[in-house]
Amino acid sequence: GAVVSQHPSRVICKSGTSVKIECRSLDFQATTMFWYRQFPKQSLMLMATSNEGSKATYEQGVEKDKFLINHASLTLSTLTVTSAHPEDSSFYICSAEPLGNEQFFGPGTRLTVL
Amino acid sequence: KNEVEQSPQNLTAQEGEFITINCSYSVGISALHWLQQHPGGGIVSLFMLSSGKKKHGRLIATINIQEKHSSLHITASHPRDSAVYICAVLRDSNYQLIWGAGTKLIIKP
Repeated sequence: GAVVSQHPSRVICKSGTSVKIECRSLDFQATTMFWYRQFPKQSLMLMATSNEGSKATYEQGVEKDKFLINHASLTLSTLTVTSAHPEDSSFYICSAEPLGNEQFFGPGTRLTVL
Repeated sequence: KNEVEQSPQNLTAQEGEFITINCSYSVGISALHWLQQHPGGGIVSLFMLSSGKKKHGRLIATINIQEKHSSLHITASHPRDSAVYICAVLRDSNYQLIWGAGTKLIIKP
């Protein structure tokens, strides 16, 4: 099956720094990638939809300037958490869509901001 | 009422038992996912279903579109199956992925 990777799997950073998370589709091209943030009790929130070569579409309430998304190629999307604060500590998951409505999930990235 | 409901929320069983986790949803969907999350958070995608039944090893997933219900079964359960199992549906109206709250499964040796 299709494989999506995320890097890093775990990151700890100081408050005020920026963190970049990569999402890669390893064996397929993904015109669309999605970024999610997981809240306690497993509920997941869609943050933004990333389309290759165009600006990401952010969900209501998600700060575009804080969560920068770049989808520069058909196999790579990046999420940069700028000026991270402890409340940004969370589990971030990406998914990639090759065609139609199939989605393949990355393993997630655990961000801890001290 | 949540759009995706899972039951049970917690399940503890003995090794070897047959496990069933249920997922009901109230919206129109184009697909349903079953995912597994281990302590530490790593997500593994188990199945994506739009109809019928799929089997992979000891795992079986079924979906009944008319009844808006899906089940995940684990045969011959093993302690390594201990994890949180999450049902997520792709809403067909706005393409939003809605996640259930998860079922925490513990298999005792």
